[in-house]
Amino acid sequence: KQEVTQIPAALSVPEGENLVLNCSFTDSAIYNLQWFRQDPGKGLTSLLLIQSSQREQTSGRLNASLDKSSGRSTLYIAASQPGDSATYLCAVDNYGQNFVFGPGTRLSVLP
Amino acid sequence: ETGVTQTPRHLVMGMTNKKSLKCEQHLGHNAMYWYKQSAKKPLELMFVYNFKEQTENNSVPSRFSPECPNSSHLFLHLHTLQPEDSALYLCASSQDLTGNEQFFGPGTRLTVL
Repeated sequence: KQEVTQIPAALSVPEGENLVLNCSFTDSAIYNLQWFRQDPGKGLTSLLLIQSSQREQTSGRLNASLDKSSGRSTLYIAASQPGDSATYLCAVDNYGQNFVFGPGTRLSVLP
Repeated sequence: ETGVTQTPRHLVMGMTNKKSLKCEQHLGHNAMYWYKQSAKKPLELMFVYNFKEQTENNSVPSRFSPECPNSSHLFLHLHTLQPEDSALYLCASSQDLTGNEQFFGPGTRLTVL
């Protein structure tokens, strides 16, 4: 059964800093991996989707990488801003198990 | 806006009430999902529908009853819930079941008294 973990559970950084969020999964038989952002009490906003055949995806200040063989993905946020403060979730789409989510990393970017 | 809407946004109900949550997607997708998000727990997949047919029931208690009349609408009927069912219920959709990006609605915050 697929298990997804995210490290760290919480992170606080000063504005302008570059940061990396980590996601690990136990079963490499995945279709894709998706990163989401969730603001308190709100739904999820899709940030990046990486197909299993891809190594990375970029959108603006965000870059997500995928190493399927080692079961790892990272989300890199450049030049962080207070508006980036949210919980970041990764989810893997597995064969026969649909999406499995990690517990999230709660990010605070301080002005 | 993600193209997925949910109503109501907030719901308070007693343990003996019957209520329904509604989800609608305007994206032309074929697959729809219900998730439960409780405090301090990862999102839990509850039900999956593909072309109106239920393809997954993730061991959800029968007091939760899904309904998918067409590919654009998904309901979650609630009956005799427990206080521990209080959570954020999220609906999502994707083009098909596998390999596609999921789009989420804003959720319904449910409180069971």
